[in-house]
Amino acid sequence: AQSVAQPEDQVNVAEGNPLTVKCTYSVSGNPYLFWYVQYPNRGLQFLLKYITGDNLVKGSYGFEAEFNKSQTSFHLKKPSALVSDSALYFCAVRDGQDYGQNFVFGPGTRLSVLP
Amino acid sequence: GAVVSQHPSWVICKSGTSVKIECRSLDFQATTMFWYRQFPKQSLMLMATSNEGSKATYEQGVEKDKFLINHASLTLSTLTVTSAHPEDSSFYICSAPPGDRELSEQFFGPGTRLTVL
Repeated sequence: AQSVAQPEDQVNVAEGNPLTVKCTYSVSGNPYLFWYVQYPNRGLQFLLKYITGDNLVKGSYGFEAEFNKSQTSFHLKKPSALVSDSALYFCAVRDGQDYGQNFVFGPGTRLSVLP
Repeated sequence: GAVVSQHPSWVICKSGTSVKIECRSLDFQATTMFWYRQFPKQSLMLMATSNEGSKATYEQGVEKDKFLINHASLTLSTLTVTSAHPEDSSFYICSAPPGDRELSEQFFGPGTRLTVL
């Protein structure tokens, strides 16, 4: 069975500074990894995914994430944070061999970007 | 990109009544849709997998007679919360994988906030 950990409930960063939101995962097969963002009372918006290929994945709104197989991590990063990036971020994993498409979500990390 | 809609976006009902939530894929066909439940400040928990033309698959601990799922067509799945009680108050989100089943990232609806008085 797969699982996702996001060790930080809350991340605070000043506007203009780089941000990192951490994610580690466990999956028996090939990991398909995803990051989603959720604004208050809204559904999830897709940011980026890793399926195969380059370990550094670039996504929407200037976000990127690095897949590290040895550390089983998929941390989300952005070089320069904006106040509008403040939201709830979810890391998700799918077992690439699971054709049922079931996603497992991490507990979420609330990002606050301070002006 | 693919769009998934949900209706209603919010609903308030009295205890004991039933509430139906619709999930539609607007520009693609979805043989599978997923229903999630999210409590305040918590992650999404998968409730069930909705399969077009067959019975839904429920996760452990989810009452199938309480949360009725009907996948009526390739673009519509409904979740009916029967005899709702205050503890059913939550944010319900559906999702659907379009296109290539291997690579799709899933598209999520905007969610439905249910408040049971």
